[in-house]
Amino acid sequence: GAGVSQSPSNKVTEKGKDVELRCDPISGHTALYWYRQSLGQGLEFLIYFQGNSAPDKSGLPSDRFSAERTGGSVSTLTIQRTQQEDSAVYLCASSFRQGRETQYFGPGTRLLVL
Amino acid sequence: QKEVEQDPGPLSVPEGAIVSLNCTYSNSAFQYFMWYRQYSRKGPELLMYTYSSGNKEDGRFTAQVDKSSKYISLFIRDSQPSDSATYLCAMIKLGGNNRLAFGKGNQVVVIP
Repeated sequence: GAGVSQSPSNKVTEKGKDVELRCDPISGHTALYWYRQSLGQGLEFLIYFQGNSAPDKSGLPSDRFSAERTGGSVSTLTIQRTQQEDSAVYLCASSFRQGRETQYFGPGTRLLVL
Repeated sequence: QKEVEQDPGPLSVPEGAIVSLNCTYSNSAFQYFMWYRQYSRKGPELLMYTYSSGNKEDGRFTAQVDKSSKYISLFIRDSQPSDSATYLCAMIKLGGNNRLAFGKGNQVVVIP
């Protein structure tokens, strides 16, 4: 079956522009996570969605970052007024339900802010 | 101090050698432990998942957890060039949002 998909695979933008990153989780998975992977910091949690509950935004680094999940499926991560330090790989993961279920990762979106 | 420490140094080994990787953690709330493998320009994929102290084997891979020392290890026996990848330890706390806390990863190169 299809895995987690993300688009675009690569994104180059200019400092100050807004970007939107998309994640399509595995069908039927109710939990969705966004992580960021950068050279200096490794993989860091950003935000978590579980079904129709309010998201856990505790990992978002600033108010320039936001995310939504429509219809309990597709999720969009938006970064406003991008900065060079936002350059990283943004990874999405989904799992069947809340709990200790395996998280399956997408291939990531490589963001470069010039 | 990061929640999960993994010495991020690269590791080169000859084919057939044993690869040994480890992580330490500081918070005893971590109860579920994973090793992910990440190939270049791909997302991480789950390799091993364990939640109790002791050893868990899966083919050439052995995951070891010592909760009393807050120390986990991954061993790869008879390493192959196809094992060349970055290996990330990850763990989940009991309760909370089940987010993964990752180590920084080790890049492993198996030389034919």
